[in-house]
Amino acid sequence: QITLKESGPTLVKPTQTLTLTCTFSGFSLSTSGVGVGWIRQPPGKALEWLALVYWNDDERYSPSLNSRLTVTKDTSKNQVVLTMTNMDPVDTATYYCTHRGNYYASSIFGYYFDYWGQGTLVTVSS
Amino acid sequence: AIQMTQSPSSLSASVGDTVTITCRASQDIRNDLAWYQQKPGKAPRLLIYAASSLQGGVPSRFSGSGSGTDFTLTISSLQPEDFATYYCLQDYSYPLTFGGGTKVEIK
Repeated sequence: QITLKESGPTLVKPTQTLTLTCTFSGFSLSTSGVGVGWIRQPPGKALEWLALVYWNDDERYSPSLNSRLTVTKDTSKNQVVLTMTNMDPVDTATYYCTHRGNYYASSIFGYYFDYWGQGTLVTVSS
Repeated sequence: AIQMTQSPSSLSASVGDTVTITCRASQDIRNDLAWYQQKPGKAPRLLIYAASSLQGGVPSRFSGSGSGTDFTLTISSLQPEDFATYYCLQDYSYPLTFGGGTKVEIK
């Protein structure tokens, strides 16, 4: 059974750096084809993809936040850490980590976000 | 970045109705599209992937169709537990992008 859980501060001040940890079980990030993603959702607004890290250390970032984001994986601890610098009140959101699974159907290989953490609300305020 | 335009942004429907939600991509994304359901205070749940493949455990009243730029999520015989917000996600190229969401409310 795959589970993920986000942890980190609930309140950060503007200009500070946010560090969120995703601790997961039920899969390994050393398994080929697997990844962990981060997605956020401001209160009352739509989902926004932030970043991905794959089993092979491939990292992908949202261009609009690229310079502020870093994801690192610790395979031995089953953890992925998201770091976001220079936080602003507009970054107030629920942050989710997700399992990046893959499928092969009708000769097509693809990915999806099939398991999600419960999310953690991060408020940016002085 | 590929823009995903979802419509309508909200709709009212009754139990038993058939509901259709559409998502349009700003360029061809083949069938690399997923649909998610989100209830208040909860994480999104994967319903459909590869445009039309039903995720395990999802009721068969949910179906997806489309390819290229135009996609549809259909909920047949709407049930009380289906009142939620639905999002599409293009998984064709980075950055991955979501639609703006469709809130399905009780009429």
